[in-house]
Amino acid sequence: DIQMTQSPSSLSASVGDRVTITCRASQTISSYLNWYQQKPGKAPKLLIYTATSLQSGVPSRFRGSGSGTDFTLTISSLQPEDFATYYCQQSYTTPLTFGQGTKVEIK
Amino acid sequence: QVQLVESGGGVVQPGGSLRLSCAASGFIFSSYGMHWVRQAPGKGLEWVAFIRYDGSNTYYTDSVKGRFTISRDNSRNTLYLQMDSLRVGDTALYYCAKDIVVAGPPDGFDLWGQGTMVTVSS
Repeated sequence: DIQMTQSPSSLSASVGDRVTITCRASQTISSYLNWYQQKPGKAPKLLIYTATSLQSGVPSRFRGSGSGTDFTLTISSLQPEDFATYYCQQSYTTPLTFGQGTKVEIK
Repeated sequence: QVQLVESGGGVVQPGGSLRLSCAASGFIFSSYGMHWVRQAPGKGLEWVAFIRYDGSNTYYTDSVKGRFTISRDNSRNTLYLQMDSLRVGDTALYYCAKDIVVAGPPDGFDLWGQGTMVTVSS
């Protein structure tokens, strides 16, 4: 199975900060990488698909980059509604696998 | 509106069975592959199973192979997960989710239900 490792596991940031979350795959996955946001008690929400494509309706402050084994989710200016847990997920092969999550908390 | 609504969760003893359902509306259900994804309390996300748009192929994570069966009824716009030989470790919130790609292989999830809780306990 492809292991997905996110870093950091959690971070504290302030409104307006630039936030970067990284995701590393245990083998190359080309651009088969998706990012999700999950708020407490809610279902996850797709943010980015195929590493760089912004899902419809998602604010442009979210940006995905990377290919191969190393990927990044960047929030250019953190907003109050962005405090949540973020997950990466590879779709290169089954079993589809997720990173362990990165919790973004208010500083 | 575009939505997925799960049902069928509950409390069951180890070794027991449950059947989850997911009613889809607002999109052409028969054109999309569908998934089940679970989340144990306080834990991360785990993909469970996928079924192609026409039911022709299914895929499972290893821990549920031989115990869970994913199926669909395109005439009823409904997805199912038959869960047999349940274990304590299967305790989780089970989400159904729509695949991103029309008639494609397993990819990502662009529409999620609210989840249905399955608790396996003696």
